[in-house]
Amino acid sequence: AQSVSQHNHHVILSEAASLELGCNYSYGGTVNLFWYVQYPGQHLQLLLKYFSGDPLVKGIKGFEAEFIKSKFSFNLRKPSVQWSDTAEYFCAVISGGSYIPTFGRGTSLIVHP
Amino acid sequence: DAMVIQNPRYQVTQFGKPVTLSCSQTLNHNVMYWYQQKSSQAPKLLFHYYDKDFNNEADTPDNFQSRRPNTSFCFLDIRSPGLGDAAMYLCATSRDRRSGLAGGTDTQYFGPGTRLTVL
Repeated sequence: AQSVSQHNHHVILSEAASLELGCNYSYGGTVNLFWYVQYPGQHLQLLLKYFSGDPLVKGIKGFEAEFIKSKFSFNLRKPSVQWSDTAEYFCAVISGGSYIPTFGRGTSLIVHP
Repeated sequence: DAMVIQNPRYQVTQFGKPVTLSCSQTLNHNVMYWYQQKSSQAPKLLFHYYDKDFNNEADTPDNFQSRRPNTSFCFLDIRSPGLGDAAMYLCATSRDRRSGLAGGTDTQYFGPGTRLTVL
């Protein structure tokens, strides 16, 4: 069964710092990859996704993620975070012929102004 | 425009008193999911409907049931809530990318959740 690891459970940054959140998965076949974000008091929403093509994916609000197949990774990055990026971030993976995502446990990001 | 709506947003019930949570969607997605999310944890899939077909996760307790009377609506019934069932319950929808339907991307669209408190 697929498993998804997010190694950083809590990240605290100051505004303008760079961000990288790790996401690794276990299944080695074809995967579709997602990052979802949950702002305080709001619902989970898609940040970006990778299905195929360019492994560097750009999402909303200046976020990007890079799919590195050899490392089974899909790390999320942002060069300069803002206070409004404070949220919970979830990595999710759909494997093979499935349509159901496996979620990581999430990373709580706090950005200090 | 709200696309996945959950009611109520907050539900308080007593130990053992049945409760029903509802979810509706305006996206015409063929897949609907129910997740349980506890603080600082990943959403845990309870079950999902693929069209009319119900798919239960192996570790979902029998205490949890679901109904999908039509494409737009899905209900979560908790027959005898225990203290351990206090959580946020999330409804999500998606359109299966393999279905060939327009807009099928497997991207999940979530509702705002219902926070269940069990006294």
